[in-house]
Amino acid sequence: EAQVTQNPRYLITVTGKKLTVTCSQNMNHEYMSWYRQDPGLGLRQIYYSMNVEVTDKGDVPEGYKVSRKEKRNFPLILESPSPNQTSLYFCASRRTGDYGYTFGSGTRLTVV
Amino acid sequence: GQNIDQPTEMTATEGAIVQINCTYQTSGFNGLFWYQQHAGEAPTFLSYNVLDGLEEKGRFSSFLSRSKGYSYLLLKELQMKDSASYLCAVRTGGFKTIFGAGTRLFVKA
Repeated sequence: EAQVTQNPRYLITVTGKKLTVTCSQNMNHEYMSWYRQDPGLGLRQIYYSMNVEVTDKGDVPEGYKVSRKEKRNFPLILESPSPNQTSLYFCASRRTGDYGYTFGSGTRLTVV
Repeated sequence: GQNIDQPTEMTATEGAIVQINCTYQTSGFNGLFWYQQHAGEAPTFLSYNVLDGLEEKGRFSSFLSRSKGYSYLLLKELQMKDSASYLCAVRTGGFKTIFGAGTRLFVKA
């Protein structure tokens, strides 16, 4: 089944403890992206990647890192999480061209 | 700056037609997307417009006017399962995709 898989689905962590949210897609998509979704603010783009080893900042990149060493994987790294990073995170991927994103199921992160 | 505006909430009756509007101001334009998001779930792609006019897909249609920075999503023959948030998104000149805050649609019997 064509899908974007994120892990974990839920995570509670403490301030400052490094964490990684994994994202993998099995559709051979070139573009991948990370969004966070907060009430009243909608989806805001954190980072995106156009292909392997090509990444760029979105609108809210501070406090996050990404890497794209393989086409299928695009992990999101929080080196030192803070409470304002408590949010619902979505990974998404799409093909080059006029296509919409396929989203993962989301990761609900709470930083205390 | 970049801005996408859509109403926060709308209510409509089962079997009726509802139109959800979206206006945008962005640096560059490479297409407008509509997504549906049920509570607690991931967004799913509904439609895509890059040229002016109406695109029809079953009960759902989407319209675009690039000169006015305006789009709408039209849902016909509303069903209870259409209760969801509808997200308007614009792919900008840099191939980033920015989203509006979403319109929560309530369908009542």
